[in-house]
Amino acid sequence: EAQVTQNPRYLITVTGKKLTVTCSQNMNHEYMSWYRQDPGLGLRQIYYSMNVEVTDKGDVPEGYKVSRKEKRNFPLILESPSPNQTSLYFCASSRFTIEPETQYFGPGTRLLVL
Amino acid sequence: GQQVMQIPQYQHVQEGEDFTTYCNSSTTLSNIQWYKQRPGGHPVFLIQLVKSGEVKKQKRLTFQFGEAKKNSSLHITATQTTDVGTYFCAGTKRTSYDKVIFGPGTSLSVIP
Repeated sequence: EAQVTQNPRYLITVTGKKLTVTCSQNMNHEYMSWYRQDPGLGLRQIYYSMNVEVTDKGDVPEGYKVSRKEKRNFPLILESPSPNQTSLYFCASSRFTIEPETQYFGPGTRLLVL
Repeated sequence: GQQVMQIPQYQHVQEGEDFTTYCNSSTTLSNIQWYKQRPGGHPVFLIQLVKSGEVKKQKRLTFQFGEAKKNSSLHITATQTTDVGTYFCAGTKRTSYDKVIFGPGTSLSVIP
């Protein structure tokens, strides 16, 4: 089954404690992306990757890091989480020809930073 | 600031009424995609429009892409309770084809 998986689904942490949210896709997609969703703001792109070892900033990259060492995985790293990073996070993947095509979203990770 | 706007933010309709959400971009888009997110769920792709003036239909849903490729609309005829959710438009700009920009979404409630 074609899917995007994220772990963990729910996470409560404290300010400053490093955390990683994993994302994996089994569709051999070139393009992967992280979004955060906040009420009234919709989905905002944090980072994206057009292929292995190619990553770039989205609209709200501050406080986040990513890596793309393998095509299927795209982890999101919060080196020193702060309460303003409390949000719902989605990973997505798509084919990429001249631009991203249909995006397939993971189930989401709900993060609370105390 | 938000480069893609959607109106209305919320819409409550009686079951059977029609519904329309509008998406407006400050810049020309290369394409526009529409997604639906059910409460507690993740966004699910509905359709992609690429050509200026394009109109596509999916059963009761009609999607349009403006002539200037700066706006789009989604119209649902005779809403049903299964249409409940938030509808997002998303696009890539011609000048920045690798970034995807989502609108803030329109939340639809259907009263049975």
